[in-house]
Amino acid sequence: EDQVTQSPEALRLQEGESSSLNCSYTVSGLRGLFWYRQDPGKGPEFLFTLYSAGEEKEKERLKATLTKKESFLHITAPKPEDSATYLCAVRITGTASKLTFGTGTRLQVTL
Amino acid sequence: DAMVIQNPRYQVTQFGKPVTLSCSQTLNHNVMYWYQQKSSQAPKLLFHYYDKDFNNEADTPDNFQSRRPNTSFCFLDIRSPGLGDAAMYLCATASGRTYEQYFGPGTRLTVT
Repeated sequence: EDQVTQSPEALRLQEGESSSLNCSYTVSGLRGLFWYRQDPGKGPEFLFTLYSAGEEKEKERLKATLTKKESFLHITAPKPEDSATYLCAVRITGTASKLTFGTGTRLQVTL
Repeated sequence: DAMVIQNPRYQVTQFGKPVTLSCSQTLNHNVMYWYQQKSSQAPKLLFHYYDKDFNNEADTPDNFQSRRPNTSFCFLDIRSPGLGDAAMYLCATASGRTYEQYFGPGTRLTVT
């Protein structure tokens, strides 16, 4: 069965304390892995797409990486405005237009 | 700016009273999705359209219907809302090339 698991469920960091969020997947064939940020009461905001192992993408303090089994979202020197839920999703061979979402990591960055 | 717009942002309806949520997009994407999201849960796909082709998820209740009259607009109809249908409803669009989904701000549905 195709599965997407995110860890930890929640993470509390102090401002400037770098860390990583994990998205592990067990799927029959990966056609893309997507990272989203979701603020409370809002729709998810697209961050990155990764297609193949070894690929990396960066945006400001965020860097996403991909291996054959998992993806990491690295947050360097986070600020309070980085507080949000981070969702990963995968597109799987044979599922056409659909994404399978993980349950997210709730990140809180404090001063 | 190209975007996904959802109306209304907040909707209160009574138990059993039909309600329609709307979504429009200026991205000219050919794929449109409706998701239901409850607190601290992942978005749950209800259905999606690839152009005019409608795709219903197997576990989407019959109470939920959708219409896509043209490329830009998509509607979610809940025929007889129950208390369990209270949730955030998210519309998303994607191109048929990258499948990167772009979400609207959501409609928060309350059922009284």
